[in-house]
Amino acid sequence: GAVVSQHPSWVICKSGTSVKIECRSLDFQATTMFWYRQFPKQSLMLMATSNEGSKATYEQGVEKDKFLINHASLTLSTLTVTSAHPEDSSFYICSARHQGNQPQHFGDGTRLSIL
Amino acid sequence: QKEVEQNSGPLSVPEGAIASLNCTYSDRGSQSFFWYRQYSGKSPELIMFIYSNGDKEDGRFTAQLNKASQYVSLLIRDSQPSDSATYLCAVKGAGRRALTFGSGTRLQVQP
Repeated sequence: GAVVSQHPSWVICKSGTSVKIECRSLDFQATTMFWYRQFPKQSLMLMATSNEGSKATYEQGVEKDKFLINHASLTLSTLTVTSAHPEDSSFYICSARHQGNQPQHFGDGTRLSIL
Repeated sequence: QKEVEQNSGPLSVPEGAIASLNCTYSDRGSQSFFWYRQYSGKSPELIMFIYSNGDKEDGRFTAQLNKASQYVSLLIRDSQPSDSATYLCAVKGAGRRALTFGSGTRLQVQP
């Protein structure tokens, strides 16, 4: 149980392109979803937290107009990297939780490479 | 002081030995504690969670929590080379929605 599906797994695109990443909880209702970024050999960095139907809460230093998050339903959240540049190349991972103190479950991640 | 601290390692143990991974946290109001395993290039995978003081066992894994000392550990018995990965300690603090992760301990199990 507690499966989180993330799509796509890999994206390679040109600078200036906008990229959308989807995160779905397949067998539970995700009250809260989280988006992380991880650079090689570094720790997970929380970008934003969202509750279904509410605006996302962004961490300090994360541009909300650059990283658009939509949590439209209890099973789907999307992250759109707008006008991506090479410095946005990273491993983006979503995570979902049903409620409260329950564990966060992670998707398989999306490796984004901007040329 | 970091909110969740782990020794970065690498921690090297021989196959079949017990690996002991440790984590301390600063928020005394923290309520729930998690261990994740992350293989290189992959996303984290939940191994154990613990809410109450004491030990919790699941197969070869035992999580130990001591809230008074603000300390949580993970023991891996009969370590296998496939256990070689980075182990992330995560803590849910009081009033926070997201987990706070440590930077991880890299475990190497030598065949």
